[in-house]
Amino acid sequence: GAGVSQTPSNKVTEKGKYVELRCDPISGHTALYWYRQSLGQGPEFLIYFQGTGAADDSGLPNDRFFAVRPEGSVSTLKIQRTERGDSAVYLCASSLRRPGTGELFFGEGSRLTVL
Amino acid sequence: DAKTTQPNSMESNEEEPVHLPCNHSTISGTDYIHWYRQLPSQGPEYVIHGLTSNVNNRMASLAIAEDRKSSTLILHRATLRDAAVYYCILRDGRDDKIIFGKGTRLHILP
Repeated sequence: GAGVSQTPSNKVTEKGKYVELRCDPISGHTALYWYRQSLGQGPEFLIYFQGTGAADDSGLPNDRFFAVRPEGSVSTLKIQRTERGDSAVYLCASSLRRPGTGELFFGEGSRLTVL
Repeated sequence: DAKTTQPNSMESNEEEPVHLPCNHSTISGTDYIHWYRQLPSQGPEYVIHGLTSNVNNRMASLAIAEDRKSSTLILHRATLRDAAVYYCILRDGRDDKIIFGKGTRLHILP
């Protein structure tokens, strides 16, 4: 079956612009995660959804970052007034809900470059 | 979240076993030990996880110390395709999220 799909794979934008990144999880996976990864670093947790609600958004760096999952499937990460420091690979993962043990399946990421 | 300590990098020869160490001295009784790996230009992928007993699957084996303060990921016969960053992660049994550290970059020499 299809894995986690992320679009766009690459996005180049200018400082100050608004950006949306989309994640299509594996069908039936109720949990959805967003991470971002800078060069040479491990993935940094941003937000986690269980169904439609954000169960943990403690990793969102500031109020320019927002994510939604209105129907409990596809999720969109929204970044307002982008800054050069937002440049990174944004990773999405999905899983069945099994606290402590559930395997996360990752997409290939969306590479964001802010000029 | 409880922390893990891993070497920054390791090297191994192709077709030989690889032992990747991880220290987690502050592990709690509800923490599972997870390993993920990330190949170049890809998202992380699950490798294995365990709680107290050693675990084997088609990708690797996980050896957990009796006091659970350390663990070792074992790749039985490394190939060039195993070159990746390997992350050792503690995941609370009551929690859904995973927090990554910096991992160990494994180089495989032909």
